[in-house]
Amino acid sequence: DFVMTQSPDSLAVSLGERATINCKSSHSVLYSSNNKNYLAWYQHKPGQPPKLLIYWASTRESGVPDRFSGSGSGTDFTLTISSLQAEDVAVYYCLQYYRTPRTFGQGTKVEIK
Amino acid sequence: EVQLVESGGGLVQPGGSLRLSCAASGFTFSNYWMSWVRQAPGKGLEWVANIKHDGTEKYYVDSVKGRFTISRDNAKNSLDLQMNSLRAEDTAVYYCARDLYYGSGSPLCDHWGQGTLVTVSS
Repeated sequence: DFVMTQSPDSLAVSLGERATINCKSSHSVLYSSNNKNYLAWYQHKPGQPPKLLIYWASTRESGVPDRFSGSGSGTDFTLTISSLQAEDVAVYYCLQYYRTPRTFGQGTKVEIK
Repeated sequence: EVQLVESGGGLVQPGGSLRLSCAASGFTFSNYWMSWVRQAPGKGLEWVANIKHDGTEKYYVDSVKGRFTISRDNAKNSLDLQMNSLRAEDTAVYYCARDLYYGSGSPLCDHWGQGTLVTVSS
C-alpha cells in the first residue's frame, strides 16, 4: 500500500499569515500516461464531513477560496493557505488515489496562534 | 444539491453484526461509484470499501475483507455496508461518500454524508 506522511502533525499560524502543509508519498502518484498526479487534499472540521479542496494535486474544487493552493509532483506535495482565516481551523488530509486502496495521510491540525 | 444520509449505526458487541445504509439524493445515483470511509476516535480517515456504479466491481481495505460487504440498490438510490464479525478496532464514524472516477487509478470522494457512529464494545 502507498504510505502518505504529512508534516507537521500540527501548526499554529497567526490570522492573515501563511500556512504550509507537506505530504510525502512512499511511491510516485504521477500517472505517466496522462501526466497527472493522483493526489487530493481535504479539510475536516469537527462535527462536519470532510470537504474536498484540491484534486490532481493543484486543481481547486469549485467554490474553494483561492487562498488554498496545491503544488508538487511525484512523491512530494504541499498545501498552502496563503492568508489564514478563522474559518480555516481544521484538520487537513492528503489522499493518494493512484492505486487501490486509496490512502490518507495522518492529518495536520491547523490552529490560530 | 447532493445529499447523503447514513443510518444504522449503534452499539454492538464484539463478534456481532450491523448493517449501515446511505440514502442518496440530488444526483443520478446509478452513474456514480460510491464509497464508505471511516474515522476511528482520535484517528485519521481510512477508506473502507467502494462499489462501481452498476455493482459489478467491489473493493475493500484488507482489514475488512471477508467481514464487510458493500452493496447498492440503484432503484432505491441506496448504498449499504453489511458488517459482520465486528471488532473493537472497527469502532468509528462511518461516512458514505460519492466517488469521482476518471477511468484510471482509483476514484476519489467529492461529497460526503454526516456519518454514523459504530461502537463495538461489550
